[in-house]
Amino acid sequence: DADVTQTPRNRITKTGKRIMLECSQTKGHDRMYWYRQDPGLGLRLIYYSFDVKDINKGEISDGYSVSRQAQAKFSLSLESAIPNQTALYFCATSDPRTQYFGPGTRLLVL
Amino acid sequence: GENVEQHPSTLSVQEGDSAVIKCTYSDSASNYFPWYKQELGKRPQLIIDIRSNVGEKKDQRIAVTLNKTAKHFSLHITETQPEDSAVYFCAARTSGTYKYIFGTGTRLKVLA
Repeated sequence: DADVTQTPRNRITKTGKRIMLECSQTKGHDRMYWYRQDPGLGLRLIYYSFDVKDINKGEISDGYSVSRQAQAKFSLSLESAIPNQTALYFCATSDPRTQYFGPGTRLLVL
Repeated sequence: GENVEQHPSTLSVQEGDSAVIKCTYSDSASNYFPWYKQELGKRPQLIIDIRSNVGEKKDQRIAVTLNKTAKHFSLHITETQPEDSAVYFCAARTSGTYKYIFGTGTRLKVLA
């Protein structure tokens, strides 16, 4: 779904580095989400935002922060990356029916 | 807290057979239950969903059933084909919110 984009698509970084993952959408949805996917653990919610002024922690927010710069943009930051944050990260938006996922960012922390 | 359990974690079936994946949710206020299919290297995509005021929904070879009393819902795929091979996720959304809780996924392999 080209309406939800993520950058970068792949990233390798070192322990202790700060990194930002970006998500943009052209769907006009107010609701945006960040998930991480690990084998056998499914999709776990990191943060979600229901509008520019509303940001909420999900199940696993420790070590992460977010910024909702505009309705269309929702960024995820790892202030000091650690190896167990190696994962596949998905951004998603939501309309009243369901969610639409971005293509994912594969992050490797060495 | 809110939780969705999904079983089995892996499932292998012969082409043409049926596959069933089951989920259980904990929050009785959940009222919307989507199923997503994730092919290798791709994003999850919605394949079917059901709302709490409906017991069953069908779309060609796939169907979903919901038992609100037991807090169970299931995905049924009939006449499986190799292209059905993927990871399937169930999810539950609580009434009044747009927060989704996902199951841990089922890797379905359809053997030709």
